[in-house]
Amino acid sequence: SAVISQKPSRDICQRGTSLTIQCQVDSQVTMMFWYRQQPGQSLTLIATANQGSEATYESGFVIDKFPISRPNLTFSTLTVSNMSPEDSSIYLCSGGGGDYEQYFGPGTRLTVT
Amino acid sequence: GENVEQHPSTLSVQEGDSAVIKCTYSDSASNYFPWYKQELGKRPQLIIDIRSNVGEKKDQRIAVTLNKTAKHFSLHITETQPEDSAVYFCAASWVTGGGNKLTFGTGTQLKVEL
Repeated sequence: SAVISQKPSRDICQRGTSLTIQCQVDSQVTMMFWYRQQPGQSLTLIATANQGSEATYESGFVIDKFPISRPNLTFSTLTVSNMSPEDSSIYLCSGGGGDYEQYFGPGTRLTVT
Repeated sequence: GENVEQHPSTLSVQEGDSAVIKCTYSDSASNYFPWYKQELGKRPQLIIDIRSNVGEKKDQRIAVTLNKTAKHFSLHITETQPEDSAVYFCAASWVTGGGNKLTFGTGTQLKVEL
């Protein structure tokens, strides 16, 4: 299984600012994913982070709001831009060593005031 | 796109009893069905999964069954213990070369009472 870490673990930000979340995998993975989880809710896929090409966004999520980088096969970043209180959530990255299993990072708890 | 429904939303059982959580999916192309356990404040943990070419899979006290015709799959936990208390999420995906996008169910809060 892949071991995934995220930084920061939590942050409190002011509206209108941006936060970049880092995700590191201990082994090379073909695809990495970013999810959002509202408190007490399920996980919603934001985008697939593709190495060497632009991220693929799900309906309702746009690149200007959530730019993603994937410089190599073990690292990705998600930026939450121009934040508003509605962006307060837990952001999780995931990746897998194979085509099937997906493992999650510990999440970044974001509070926007 | 894929849609996954999960029931029940909450489940309370006595220690030692069995627990069953059910999910249905909409996309007949989906071929991978994992289950995650999430304890409060922790990351989702993969506990068991099943691929579409298998009807049942078991790992100690947990098992998953898949009915492709009816497009539903279930998680079975036997001899429940207090440490099984958590939120359980089912998910479905269509695995293509290089990875898969998971669509999650809404989650089941399982409480195992002493």
